[in-house]
Amino acid sequence: AQTVTQSQPEMSVQEAETVTLSCTYDTSESDYYLFWYKQPPSRQMILVIRQEAYKQQNATENRFSVNFQKAAKSFSLKISDSQLGDAAMYFCAYRSAAGGATNKLIFGTGTLLAVQP
Amino acid sequence: EAGVAQSPRYKIIEKRQSVAFWCNPISGHATLYWYQQILGQGPKLLIQFQNNGVVDDSQLPKDRFSAERLKGVDSTLKIQPAKLEDSAVYLCATALQGAFYEQYFGPGTRLTVT
Repeated sequence: AQTVTQSQPEMSVQEAETVTLSCTYDTSESDYYLFWYKQPPSRQMILVIRQEAYKQQNATENRFSVNFQKAAKSFSLKISDSQLGDAAMYFCAYRSAAGGATNKLIFGTGTLLAVQP
Repeated sequence: EAGVAQSPRYKIIEKRQSVAFWCNPISGHATLYWYQQILGQGPKLLIQFQNNGVVDDSQLPKDRFSAERLKGVDSTLKIQPAKLEDSAVYLCATALQGAFYEQYFGPGTRLTVT
């Protein structure tokens, strides 16, 4: 079974600085997707960034980028120029790309990010 | 485009009572998921529907939880009788059919069982 591990329960960053959130996962599959979701106090899960395992190039979305190391099964999120609105719980998630299988998301336990003004 | 709607947003019940949650998906989304998020944990899938058929309910406590998706649109999740450990946020997510497509989440229902 696939598992996702986030070893940093809490992180803090100064406004305008850069922070990296860590995630590791375990799977025997070769084709899958990895995600970072943001969950603010409103509880609405918002997709931040997505990475297809078959792509070697790291995904980027404006101030958000990932470092995807497939062999090491590592998937970290870098937030540049941190803003107060980035404060939230961040979840790393895995989803199989196998055809015909359930495509449920498997989540880590989350990292609570605080942004200091 | 309207997002995933859920109601109620909050519910407080006593143990052994019953409760139901409702989810209205984004129009055209064939796949619907119910996740349970216990405080301090990531969401965990309870059940996945494809149209009105169940794809995965392996982690649904079937002795007390039930879910249905009539006509492949709205869905309800019911707990009867509730236990203290059912206190959690219940998230509904929907997606177009296929693993490639993004899941869109509703705002969730926070359940407190006393």
